[in-house]
Amino acid sequence: DAGVIQSPRHEVTEMGQEVTLRCKPISGHNSLFWYRQTMMRGLELLIYFNNNVPIDDSGMPEDRFSAKMPNASFSTLKIQPSEPRDSAVYFCASSLDRMVETQYFGPGTRLLVL
Amino acid sequence: KNEVEQSPQNLTAQEGEFITINCSYSVGISALHWLQQHPGGGIVSLFMLSSGKKKHGRLIATINIQEKHSSLHITASHPRDSAVYICAVNTGTASKLTFGTGTRLQVTL
Repeated sequence: DAGVIQSPRHEVTEMGQEVTLRCKPISGHNSLFWYRQTMMRGLELLIYFNNNVPIDDSGMPEDRFSAKMPNASFSTLKIQPSEPRDSAVYFCASSLDRMVETQYFGPGTRLLVL
Repeated sequence: KNEVEQSPQNLTAQEGEFITINCSYSVGISALHWLQQHPGGGIVSLFMLSSGKKKHGRLIATINIQEKHSSLHITASHPRDSAVYICAVNTGTASKLTFGTGTRLQVTL
């Protein structure tokens, strides 16, 4: 299995631009998680889906952030408009459809907003 | 106060030393995870446990539910063990993880 796939791996953009991050979970996994990692705050959950349905989006910072999961094999995290404080590494992870299960992380997208 | 606390924050050891990283949590949990993040940034799940002890190679993870404490031990440490080790918990029955701030381990020759 290829593992969790994220794209792009690196993104540099200017403040105000729209940014779209993409994730392909491991086939057969029904839970998908978006995390953000910064030096100041460490790893934080942004949102997670179960069977393509958003279950908990309490970690989404504000309306500029949105996430979708149109099918079991694809999810996007969009930031519009982007701000310098959004600079971070964004990880996607997936797990089997159980309440508590090992999560498998993608390689992350390193975002820099200038 | 964070729900998940790790100690130490930074740790330097010489090759061959026995290493212990600690994690304490203040909430009810259904499971605790130990993750490893290498300098390249990738995150790997090492253990998920809800009781007792688990062992994988030179790594051992233990948890004491009553004391709300877990330890990660590395025996015969090696420079390739250099990484950030992160403790995370599932609170209640939630799938989502709450993370500690990580312990940065450097193993030197």
